[in-house]
Amino acid sequence: NAGVTQTPKFQVLKTGQSMTLQCAQDMNHEYMSWYRQDPGMGLRLIHYSVGAGITDQGEVPNGYNVSRSTTEDFPLRLLSAAPSQTSVYFCASSYSQGASYEQYFGPGTRLTVT
Amino acid sequence: KQEVTQIPAALSVPEGENLVLNCSFTDSAIYNLQWFRQDPGKGLTSLLLIQSSQREQTSGRLNASLDKSSGRSTLYIAASQPGDSATYLCASNSNSGYALNFGKGTSLLVTP
Repeated sequence: NAGVTQTPKFQVLKTGQSMTLQCAQDMNHEYMSWYRQDPGMGLRLIHYSVGAGITDQGEVPNGYNVSRSTTEDFPLRLLSAAPSQTSVYFCASSYSQGASYEQYFGPGTRLTVT
Repeated sequence: KQEVTQIPAALSVPEGENLVLNCSFTDSAIYNLQWFRQDPGKGLTSLLLIQSSQREQTSGRLNASLDKSSGRSTLYIAASQPGDSATYLCASNSNSGYALNFGKGTSLLVTP
């Protein structure tokens, strides 16, 4: 059971380039989400999904796209990278068991945009 | 929007001390309160999750409590060790069960 995996671990982009951050989970969790972590700002929600084919925006969605074609995968696309998107990106998955929604996080992707 | 605040932002204690980390939240209609540990340059490790119907959870030397009426949670670490040095984050999910609102964390240093 690998849990939540993210690739790549590190990435450097030039302004204007696009790329996709990959996230996969093997726990059959229905919920998946993307957060970014910036110094002094904490973790903020970018996009989330409550199941295959269903996505919605979080607190800071601008400049990012997501799709969820399978339960396992939830990629995050940067359309045209900007220096403000330099951050550490975390993917998470969770399930509902009664009233519990325990979240499991991946190891993160460190992105630098120059 | 749920606001989550953690005090103090940083804490340094000598090894062996018992310590308390504080977390407050503005919306008492929460599903869970989850405590995480984050080591430098690493991801988040879940420590404890308290459901809204519970008052506390324990795991080894860690005890987390939840008081919804006052909008507070505490993480108690007994007999601290240098290996406990890390940033501790609390997070709640309120208006949706699956999206977390995070505090900015408490950076803990336990000195030998």
